[in-house]
Amino acid sequence: DVQLEESGGGWVQPGWSRRLSCRGSGFTIDDYAMSWVRQAPGKGLEWVAFIRTRNLGGSTQYAASVRDRFTISRDDSRRSIFLQMNSLKTDDTGLYYCTRGGEYPAGMDVWGQGTTVTVSS
Amino acid sequence: QAVLTQPSSLSASPGASASLTCTLRSGINVGPHTIYWYQQKSGSPPQYLLRYTSDSDEEQGSGVPSRFSGSKDVSANAGILVISGLQSEDEADYYCMIWHNSAWVFGGGTKLTVL
Repeated sequence: DVQLEESGGGWVQPGWSRRLSCRGSGFTIDDYAMSWVRQAPGKGLEWVAFIRTRNLGGSTQYAASVRDRFTISRDDSRRSIFLQMNSLKTDDTGLYYCTRGGEYPAGMDVWGQGTTVTVSS
Repeated sequence: QAVLTQPSSLSASPGASASLTCTLRSGINVGPHTIYWYQQKSGSPPQYLLRYTSDSDEEQGSGVPSRFSGSKDVSANAGILVISGLQSEDEADYYCMIWHNSAWVFGGGTKLTVL
Protein backbone atom coordinates (compact mmCIF):
# COMPACT_ATOMS: atom_id res chain seq x y z
CA ASP A 1 0.00 0.00 0.00
CA VAL A 2 1.35 3.41 -0.99
CA GLN A 3 1.25 5.68 2.05
CA LEU A 4 2.55 9.01 3.31
CA GLU A 5 2.71 9.85 6.99
CA GLU A 6 3.31 13.38 8.21
CA SER A 7 4.50 14.43 11.65
CA GLY A 8 5.81 17.48 13.44
CA GLY A 9 2.76 19.69 13.63
CA GLY A 10 1.81 21.61 16.75
CA TRP A 11 1.29 25.02 18.25
CA VAL A 12 3.85 27.78 17.82
CA GLN A 13 3.95 31.51 18.39
CA PRO A 14 4.37 34.00 15.53
CA GLY A 15 8.00 34.30 14.54
CA TRP A 16 8.89 30.82 15.73
CA SER A 17 10.10 27.89 13.62
CA ARG A 18 8.79 24.36 13.09
CA ARG A 19 9.97 21.35 11.10
CA LEU A 20 7.55 18.95 9.47
CA SER A 21 8.46 15.44 8.37
CA CYS A 22 6.86 13.03 5.95
CA ARG A 23 7.76 9.37 5.51
CA GLY A 24 6.70 7.40 2.49
CA SER A 25 6.09 3.67 2.25
CA GLY A 26 4.99 1.26 -0.44
CA PHE A 27 6.94 3.02 -3.18
CA THR A 28 10.48 4.13 -3.99
CA ILE A 29 10.59 7.77 -2.89
CA ASP A 30 13.83 8.28 -4.86
CA ASP A 31 11.82 8.08 -8.10
CA TYR A 32 9.38 10.87 -7.28
CA ALA A 33 9.24 14.59 -6.85
CA MET A 34 7.48 15.37 -3.57
CA SER A 35 5.38 18.31 -2.45
CA TRP A 36 3.69 20.02 0.47
CA VAL A 37 0.17 21.43 0.19
CA ARG A 38 -1.67 23.20 3.01
CA GLN A 39 -5.24 23.98 3.90
CA ALA A 40 -6.25 26.73 6.29
CA PRO A 41 -9.21 25.91 8.55
CA GLY A 42 -12.40 25.88 6.49
CA LYS A 43 -10.54 27.05 3.38
CA GLY A 44 -9.27 25.64 0.11
CA LEU A 45 -5.99 24.05 -0.92
CA GLU A 46 -2.74 25.99 -1.33
CA TRP A 47 0.42 24.52 -2.83
CA VAL A 48 3.48 25.29 -0.69
CA ALA A 49 6.58 23.73 -2.26
CA PHE A 50 8.00 20.83 -4.20
CA ILE A 51 11.37 19.15 -4.53
CA ARG A 52 12.63 17.26 -7.57
CA THR A 53 14.34 13.90 -7.44
CA ARG A 54 18.04 13.66 -6.68
CA ASN A 55 18.57 12.51 -10.26
CA LEU A 56 17.24 15.90 -11.37
CA GLY A 57 19.35 17.74 -8.86
CA GLY A 58 16.84 17.88 -6.03
CA SER A 59 15.98 21.45 -6.97
CA THR A 60 13.07 23.15 -5.30
CA GLN A 61 10.25 25.58 -5.99
CA TYR A 62 8.08 27.53 -3.58
CA ALA A 63 4.86 29.45 -3.47
CA ALA A 64 5.43 33.19 -3.25
CA SER A 65 3.74 33.27 0.17
CA VAL A 66 6.42 31.07 1.77
CA ARG A 67 9.52 31.74 -0.33
CA ASP A 68 12.49 32.81 1.80
CA ARG A 69 10.82 31.46 4.97
CA PHE A 70 10.23 27.76 4.21
CA THR A 71 12.71 25.16 3.00
CA ILE A 72 11.80 21.77 1.58
CA SER A 73 14.37 18.99 1.66
CA ARG A 74 14.60 15.25 1.24
CA ASP A 75 16.51 12.28 2.61
CA ASP A 76 15.80 9.33 0.35
CA SER A 77 17.76 6.98 2.61
CA ARG A 78 15.12 7.66 5.26
CA ARG A 79 12.29 7.68 2.70
CA SER A 80 11.47 11.13 3.96
CA ILE A 81 10.91 14.72 3.03
CA PHE A 82 10.90 17.71 5.34
CA LEU A 83 9.54 21.23 5.53
CA GLN A 84 11.50 23.69 7.64
CA MET A 85 9.25 26.61 8.44
CA ASN A 86 10.80 29.79 9.82
CA SER A 87 9.36 33.18 10.77
CA LEU A 88 5.92 31.66 11.05
CA LYS A 89 2.88 33.89 10.69
CA THR A 90 -0.71 33.42 11.81
CA ASP A 91 -1.63 32.98 8.12
CA ASP A 92 0.52 29.83 8.07
CA THR A 93 -1.98 28.08 10.34
CA GLY A 94 -3.44 25.01 8.69
CA LEU A 95 -3.32 21.34 7.86
CA TYR A 96 -0.15 20.49 5.98
CA TYR A 97 -0.33 17.61 3.54
CA CYS A 98 2.64 15.73 2.14
CA THR A 99 2.02 14.61 -1.42
CA ARG A 100 3.74 12.45 -3.98
CA GLY A 101 4.52 14.20 -7.23
CA GLY A 102 4.27 17.85 -8.08
CA GLU A 103 6.71 18.31 -10.91
CA TYR A 104 4.72 19.23 -14.00
CA PRO A 105 3.11 17.41 -15.79
CA ALA A 106 2.82 14.90 -12.96
CA GLY A 107 0.23 16.13 -10.52
CA MET A 108 0.05 15.14 -6.89
CA ASP A 109 -1.39 11.64 -6.90
CA VAL A 110 -0.96 10.40 -3.31
CA TRP A 111 -1.70 12.44 -0.18
CA GLY A 112 -1.00 11.87 3.47
CA GLN A 113 -3.51 12.51 6.24
CA GLY A 114 -1.82 15.80 7.11
CA THR A 115 -0.34 17.39 10.22
CA THR A 116 -1.77 20.52 11.82
CA VAL A 117 0.26 23.66 12.46
CA THR A 118 -1.27 26.38 14.61
CA VAL A 119 0.45 29.75 14.76
CA SER A 120 -1.01 31.89 17.51
CA SER A 121 0.06 34.11 20.35
CA GLN B 1 -9.15 38.22 -10.19
CA ALA B 2 -8.25 34.67 -9.21
CA VAL B 3 -6.35 32.47 -11.66
CA LEU B 4 -8.99 29.71 -11.36
CA THR B 5 -12.64 30.29 -10.51
CA GLN B 6 -15.02 27.56 -9.44
CA PRO B 7 -18.68 27.92 -8.40
CA SER B 8 -18.84 27.67 -4.62
CA SER B 9 -21.64 25.12 -4.66
CA LEU B 10 -23.62 22.82 -6.91
CA SER B 11 -26.55 20.52 -6.24
CA ALA B 12 -27.67 17.54 -8.29
CA SER B 13 -29.89 14.49 -7.93
CA PRO B 14 -28.78 10.89 -7.53
CA GLY B 15 -28.41 9.20 -10.90
CA ALA B 16 -28.06 12.51 -12.74
CA SER B 17 -24.89 13.99 -14.21
CA ALA B 18 -23.05 16.99 -12.79
CA SER B 19 -20.66 19.29 -14.63
CA LEU B 20 -18.22 21.18 -12.43
CA THR B 21 -16.52 24.09 -14.12
CA CYS B 22 -13.11 25.62 -13.56
CA THR B 23 -12.75 28.92 -15.40
CA LEU B 24 -9.32 30.30 -16.17
CA ARG B 25 -8.68 34.00 -15.74
CA SER B 26 -8.89 36.12 -18.84
CA GLY B 27 -5.52 36.07 -20.57
CA ILE B 28 -4.75 32.48 -19.55
CA ASN B 29 -5.80 30.21 -22.41
CA VAL B 30 -7.27 26.87 -21.34
CA GLY B 31 -6.20 25.22 -24.60
CA PRO B 32 -2.63 24.17 -23.74
CA HIS B 33 -3.22 23.74 -20.01
CA THR B 34 -3.61 20.44 -18.21
CA ILE B 35 -6.45 20.60 -15.70
CA TYR B 36 -6.13 18.42 -12.61
CA TRP B 37 -9.12 17.47 -10.45
CA TYR B 38 -9.26 16.45 -6.81
CA GLN B 39 -12.08 15.24 -4.58
CA GLN B 40 -12.07 15.95 -0.85
CA LYS B 41 -14.65 14.35 1.39
CA SER B 42 -15.35 15.82 4.80
CA GLY B 43 -12.54 15.12 7.25
CA SER B 44 -10.35 13.38 4.66
CA PRO B 45 -7.37 14.39 2.55
CA PRO B 46 -7.88 15.18 -1.12
CA GLN B 47 -7.92 12.32 -3.59
CA TYR B 48 -6.54 12.66 -7.11
CA LEU B 49 -9.28 12.03 -9.67
CA LEU B 50 -7.82 12.77 -13.08
CA ARG B 51 -5.97 15.15 -15.32
CA TYR B 52 -7.19 16.36 -18.70
CA THR B 53 -5.39 18.19 -21.48
CA SER B 54 -7.24 16.86 -24.52
CA ASP B 55 -9.12 13.74 -25.58
CA SER B 56 -5.77 12.22 -26.60
CA ASP B 57 -3.96 13.31 -23.46
CA GLU B 58 -5.75 12.45 -20.28
CA GLU B 59 -5.14 10.26 -17.24
CA GLN B 60 -7.51 8.67 -14.77
CA GLY B 61 -6.34 8.38 -11.19
CA SER B 62 -5.71 4.92 -9.85
CA GLY B 63 -8.98 3.25 -8.91
CA VAL B 64 -11.09 6.22 -9.99
CA PRO B 65 -14.37 5.11 -11.62
CA SER B 66 -14.97 5.96 -15.26
CA ARG B 67 -18.03 7.93 -14.10
CA PHE B 68 -15.55 10.75 -13.54
CA SER B 69 -14.29 12.34 -16.74
CA GLY B 70 -12.66 15.54 -17.88
CA SER B 71 -13.22 17.90 -20.75
CA LYS B 72 -12.79 21.51 -21.79
CA ASP B 73 -15.07 24.26 -23.00
CA VAL B 74 -12.72 26.38 -25.04
CA SER B 75 -15.37 29.03 -25.73
CA ALA B 76 -15.84 29.47 -21.97
CA ASN B 77 -12.11 29.13 -21.29
CA ALA B 78 -12.87 26.44 -18.74
CA GLY B 79 -12.00 22.95 -17.69
CA ILE B 80 -14.89 20.67 -16.79
CA LEU B 81 -15.23 17.67 -14.51
CA VAL B 82 -18.23 15.54 -15.43
CA ILE B 83 -19.61 13.08 -12.92
CA SER B 84 -22.22 10.76 -14.37
CA GLY B 85 -24.60 8.50 -12.48
CA LEU B 86 -24.27 10.56 -9.32
CA GLN B 87 -24.16 8.65 -6.05
CA SER B 88 -24.54 9.90 -2.50
CA GLU B 89 -20.86 9.09 -1.91
CA ASP B 90 -19.90 11.71 -4.53
CA GLU B 91 -20.92 14.45 -2.13
CA ALA B 92 -17.65 16.30 -1.50
CA ASP B 93 -15.57 19.36 -2.30
CA TYR B 94 -13.94 19.33 -5.73
CA TYR B 95 -10.83 21.30 -6.59
CA CYS B 96 -9.22 22.03 -9.95
CA MET B 97 -5.55 22.83 -10.36
CA ILE B 98 -3.17 24.03 -13.06
CA TRP B 99 0.54 24.69 -13.42
CA HIS B 100 0.90 28.41 -14.04
CA ASN B 101 3.95 30.67 -13.92
CA SER B 102 6.08 27.95 -12.29
CA ALA B 103 3.60 27.35 -9.50
CA TRP B 104 0.67 25.08 -8.81
CA VAL B 105 -2.59 27.00 -8.50
CA PHE B 106 -5.80 25.61 -7.06
CA GLY B 107 -9.30 26.82 -7.65
CA GLY B 108 -11.38 27.76 -4.63
CA GLY B 109 -13.35 24.51 -4.77
CA THR B 110 -16.96 23.53 -5.45
CA LYS B 111 -19.08 21.89 -2.78
CA LEU B 112 -21.19 19.25 -4.52
CA THR B 113 -24.39 18.23 -2.78
CA VAL B 114 -26.22 15.12 -3.95
CA LEU B 115 -29.87 15.25 -2.94
